[in-house]
Amino acid sequence: TAGITQAPTSQILAAGRSMTLRCTQDMRHNAMYWYRQDLGLGLRLIHYSNTAGTTGKGEVPDGYSVSRANTDDFPLTLASAVPSQTSVYFCASSMTSGVDTQYFGPGTRLTVL
Amino acid sequence: GQNIDQPTEMTATEGAIVQINCTYQTSGFNGLFWYQQHAGEAPTFLSYNVLDGLEEKGRFSSFLSRSKGYSYLLLKELQMKDSASYLCAVRDSDYKLSFGAGTTVTVRA
Repeated sequence: TAGITQAPTSQILAAGRSMTLRCTQDMRHNAMYWYRQDLGLGLRLIHYSNTAGTTGKGEVPDGYSVSRANTDDFPLTLASAVPSQTSVYFCASSMTSGVDTQYFGPGTRLTVL
Repeated sequence: GQNIDQPTEMTATEGAIVQINCTYQTSGFNGLFWYQQHAGEAPTFLSYNVLDGLEEKGRFSSFLSRSKGYSYLLLKELQMKDSASYLCAVRDSDYKLSFGAGTTVTVRA
């Protein structure tokens, strides 16, 4: 079962460069999410999409942008990376944005130098 | 903002029982989740409580008291493979999840 895939698995990026983290799900889930996970802080919501064509800001959206052109894909873009964006990024999805359980992708480990 | 507290670390012996507590103060409440996360892997769903009481699922049980803003995850008959982080997450009035920092459980032989 594919579920949710993320690419790349890991990346080292120079500060100031741009980067797009890819996320694809094959479960036909309507809602998708991007989180970052930092030691001691837990998972924090960056951006979300309740359905294709719509996006919203989470708890820590600054420096990140997203798009949702179709149901399956939800890329996260860092326009000009900074070292504080070093983190593990998880994409998640749920059937709807309401009462359904969220399922997580394998994560992307990003290091910004 | 949201405030979700859980202990940082716990250690227990194989075959024993461990209880991980979670207290929360959030803007609204629409359910509490527990996830398991092994090192270097994605969080995986364990349990969901929206009404007060105990939900049992095999060796794992989760309890909720909405009036006290309190939940616990009970792991019974601990196995080495249960060594992982356990994340408490609360769904708020906007149906967004807020996560605690996680509790790292180490199971010793």
